[in-house]
Amino acid sequence: EIVMTQSPATLSVSPGERATLSCRASQSVNINLAWYQQKPGQAPRLLIFGASTRATGIPAKFSGSGSGTEFTLTISSLQSEDFAVYYCQQYDKWPPEITFGGGTKVEIK
Amino acid sequence: QVQLQESGPGLVKPSETLSLTCTVSGDSISTYYWSWIRQPPGKGLEWIGYIFDTGSTNYSPSFKSRVTISVDTSKNQFSLNLTSVTAADTAVYYCARRAGDYWGQGTLVIVSS
Repeated sequence: EIVMTQSPATLSVSPGERATLSCRASQSVNINLAWYQQKPGQAPRLLIFGASTRATGIPAKFSGSGSGTEFTLTISSLQSEDFAVYYCQQYDKWPPEITFGGGTKVEIK
Repeated sequence: QVQLQESGPGLVKPSETLSLTCTVSGDSISTYYWSWIRQPPGKGLEWIGYIFDTGSTNYSPSFKSRVTISVDTSKNQFSLNLTSVTAADTAVYYCARRAGDYWGQGTLVIVSS
């Protein structure tokens, strides 16, 4: 099973600043990597798939990069609605064996 | 607009079977694959497994011995059965399209006597 490790567990950021979240896979997942945002009491929302492609309706302030085992989600100019928990997920191979990272909580500094 | 809705009992006794159904609207269940994912209170997301319209399934190793996912294409629904539940199976259970491009709102299932 591919293990996904996210860092840091918690990231304290001031409004207007940029947040950089990391996700590492225990083996290569190529670019079969997605990022999700989850707010309290809500289902996760897909932000990024294919490591760098924004999902429908996701603003350009969210950007993903990386391939293989190292991935990054960057959120520029954080606003109040961006403070949430972010998860990475790999879906490599076919049929995919899906695994999630443990999440990064982005909180207001 | 694709919508998913979970339904089923919110309370299950220990050692019994947890059964949930996901009803899909706005898309045919004959496209893609359809997943179950859960989230214990205060914890992260856990993929349980998925099913294709053909009935072919893929389960997480963590659940493989206890889980069955089935599909009813005539009703555009798919279902989850998780046997021998314990308190550790208390979680919000989500259904989703593919790996998660669309999600249901989730349903809390508590395992308690």
